[in-house]
Order: sequence, then C-alpha cells, then structure tokens
Amino acid sequence: GQNIDQPTEMTATEGAIVQINCTYQTSGFNGLFWYQQHAGEAPTFLSYNVLDGLEEKGRFSSFLSRSKGYSYLLLKELQMKDSASYLCAVRKGGGNKLTFGTGTQLKVEL
Amino acid sequence: NAGVTQTPKFQVLKTGQSMTLQCAQDMNHEYMSWYRQDPGMGLRLIHYSVGAGITDQGEVPNGYNVSRSTTEDFPLRLLSAAPSQTSVYFCASSTRGLNEKLFFGSGTQLSVL
Repeated sequence: GQNIDQPTEMTATEGAIVQINCTYQTSGFNGLFWYQQHAGEAPTFLSYNVLDGLEEKGRFSSFLSRSKGYSYLLLKELQMKDSASYLCAVRKGGGNKLTFGTGTQLKVEL
Repeated sequence: NAGVTQTPKFQVLKTGQSMTLQCAQDMNHEYMSWYRQDPGMGLRLIHYSVGAGITDQGEVPNGYNVSRSTTEDFPLRLLSAAPSQTSVYFCASSTRGLNEKLFFGSGTQLSVL
C-alpha cells in the first residue's frame, strides 16, 4: 500500500512564504503531483516531480527527494486567492492511478 | 473545448435506487478515472480505464460499475445506492505520457438517504 502524510491545516500571512510538506511510503514510485483545490471546486494541477530536485513555476515551486520519500510545495508572495486545499498525490507504476493524501488546508490572512 | 464534463452536479437518491453518473471528455485522452472525495479521507480511486473497451478496479470499487465503449465517455453506475456512497464524485482524464496530469470534471455531489 501507500501512505501519504501531509499537515491538515496551515495558516500564513499575505505576502509571506509557506512550505507544505508531504511524506510518502510506496514501492514502484513513478512521480509525485501537487494539486490545488478551492472549496467546492475540482482539483487543478500545480506541479509534477519524478526526479530529485526543485521544479519552479512562477510563485510555486515543488521539491522531491526520492531517497527520503519527501516532497514540499513552496508558495511565495502569498495572495488571498491562495487559500485552498493542497493535495499531494503519488503515482505508482504507469497510468493515471494516483494515490492522494488527505490534503493541507491553507488559510492566508491579512 | 469543454474539457471534462460531469452530470448531474447534484443528486439525491434513496437507499436501493440505481443511477448513472455521466462523464465525457473532448480532449481525446486515453486515460479516464473516477474518484470519490470524503472529508478526512482524500480522493480515492474507484475505477479507471486506459482506453476504449478496457477498465479496471481502483481502491474502492465495490458497489460501482463502469464501462468504456468510446474514448470520450466513461459513465459510473451505482447499482443499489447505500448511505455509505454519499460523497463527492470526480471524473478525471489524462493523456498517456510521463507527465500525465489529471484534468478533473466539476464534480457530482451525491446524497443517499
């Protein structure tokens, strides 16, 4: 099976930087995804890592360490619209079968 | 392009009733899947398909059937609804490739009384 752990809730201030961690245990690892989900809406793709290192995309960056089973999502210059749930998901093998963590609810305050 | 279209958006059923959740995509994606999302549980895979005529079970398949007669459509059938199937259901699709990001439909809020 696969275990994916991420914090349930986080609070940060507008304009600040926040790091959301995700740890996982799986065999046959073949990629880690981050999705953003606003309340009442569908998840939308943020980032993808399959090799170790940092992937940067605008205000969002994602890091992966396969040996440690660890990833983080870094959000810079936080905006109120970044208040959402952030889902870590691991792919095992091929295809689009993802196992999702329970999500981290991020609240951005003034 | 409409992307991934799910209907209905809301549905209330009585225990024992059957119904079909519709999902269609216009992106010519090979992979399609159904997830359910429950509070505190995250998204869980119900069934998936890697192409027309091919389906397989995910993590929580009991009580659900699927078929994939065309590339575009992937309906999810509830055979005999139970209160435990009260959930938000998402259909998703993706291409075949290394970065197979999922495109999700807008979801169906299902309540079984």
